[in-house]
Amino acid sequence: EIVMTQSPATLSVSPGEGATLSCRASQSVWRNLAWYQHKPGQAPRVIIFGTSTRATGIPARFSGSGFGTEFTLTISSLQSEDIAVYYCHQFYDWPYTFGQGTRVEIK
Amino acid sequence: QVQLQESGPGLVRPSETLSLTCTVSGDSLSGYDWSWMRQPPGKRLEWLGYILSSGSSNYHPSLKSRVTMSLDTSKRQFSLRLDSVTAADTAVYYCARYPYSRGSFWGPGILVTVSS
Repeated sequence: EIVMTQSPATLSVSPGEGATLSCRASQSVWRNLAWYQHKPGQAPRVIIFGTSTRATGIPARFSGSGFGTEFTLTISSLQSEDIAVYYCHQFYDWPYTFGQGTRVEIK
Repeated sequence: QVQLQESGPGLVRPSETLSLTCTVSGDSLSGYDWSWMRQPPGKRLEWLGYILSSGSSNYHPSLKSRVTMSLDTSKRQFSLRLDSVTAADTAVYYCARYPYSRGSFWGPGILVTVSS
């Protein structure tokens, strides 16, 4: 199965600063990559799918890029409500798989 | 607003069957794909399988012999059945709707512990 590896494990960012999260796939997933935001006690929420398409209601400060095996989620100006664990997910090949997550915290 | 809610027992004995139900509100089941995922303590999310509105399904290879998913469109529910559970099946279980292009939503999850 395709292994998804995220970095860094934890990202400390000051409010208003940008944050860049990385995700690497063990083989090409083309553009079949999504990002999820997960806050404690809440349902995980898809924020990006198809590498760069924002889901409905997701603010423009979230953007995704990449292709093949290297992908990036960028938060242009971190807000307090963005504190969460972020997961990447490939839906190119079955079984679909997730990264281990990047925790974004306020510095 | 579409909402999903998992329900079922929070404790299952080893070797018995884990049965969970996901109730969907705000939309019908028709035309969507329905999935189950889980996250064991300290481990990454795992996609257990999915069932299409047509009724066809696909399961994770490691669970294929033990898992069954089903739909009940009249009740707006879909279900997960996992046989012969062990402690390794202890996890938070999530249900979710796909495809992304039509709006994907997850339930808040339910913790299921396998223990005697």
